Amino acid sequence: NAGVTQTPKFRILKIGQSMTLQCAQDMNHNYMYWYRQDPGMGLKLIYYSVGAGITDKGEVPNGYNVSRSTTEDFPLRLELAAPSQTSVYFCASSITANEAFFGQGTRLTVV
Amino acid sequence: RKEVEQDPGPFNVPEGATVAFNCTYSNSASQSFFWYRQDCRKEPKLLMSVYSSGNEDGRFTAQLNRASQYISLLIRDSKLSDSATYLCVVFSYGGSQGNLIFGKGTKLSVKP
Repeated sequence: NAGVTQTPKFRILKIGQSMTLQCAQDMNHNYMYWYRQDPGMGLKLIYYSVGAGITDKGEVPNGYNVSRSTTEDFPLRLELAAPSQTSVYFCASSITANEAFFGQGTRLTVV
Repeated sequence: RKEVEQDPGPFNVPEGATVAFNCTYSNSASQSFFWYRQDCRKEPKLLMSVYSSGNEDGRFTAQLNRASQYISLLIRDSKLSDSATYLCVVFSYGGSQGNLIFGKGTKLSVKP
């Protein structure tokens, strides 16, 4: 049972490049989330999804896009990367209001 | 007012000490409450859920006061391995859907 799998674990991007952070869960959870965590700071919600085809903005959605075509996958797209997007990105999933399970994170540096 | 607020910390305590963390939440429609633990450069992991009747798991006790919108975590007989950041987490319905909101966390350092 893999749980929540994020890829890649590390990435360095140049300013203006684009990339997709992958997230997959095998627990048939309806909710999926993307958070970012800056050094020494708390987790901030970027986007979340309550099921396939349904997504909603969180606290810090600017500069990001998401899609949820299947229950299992919830990719996060960064367009035109900026140094302010240097952070650790965590994907999580849950069954509605129950505990969330996290992936191991993607450490992204934009230079 | 932030949705979930925690003691800023850090808390530096000796082994064997009892330490208490507090958390308040702003949305009275909040449905579920949790304490997570996050080790340095790792993902958050569930420590315990918090129920209205209060609940205990070994050295850890969590309390919820819905009237005051207040959550607490008590750690007894602190161990070196308890050193981590403790995150207060609330599932709230706001806008069209509910989602998980994290506090900024309280850092605990347990010293020999």
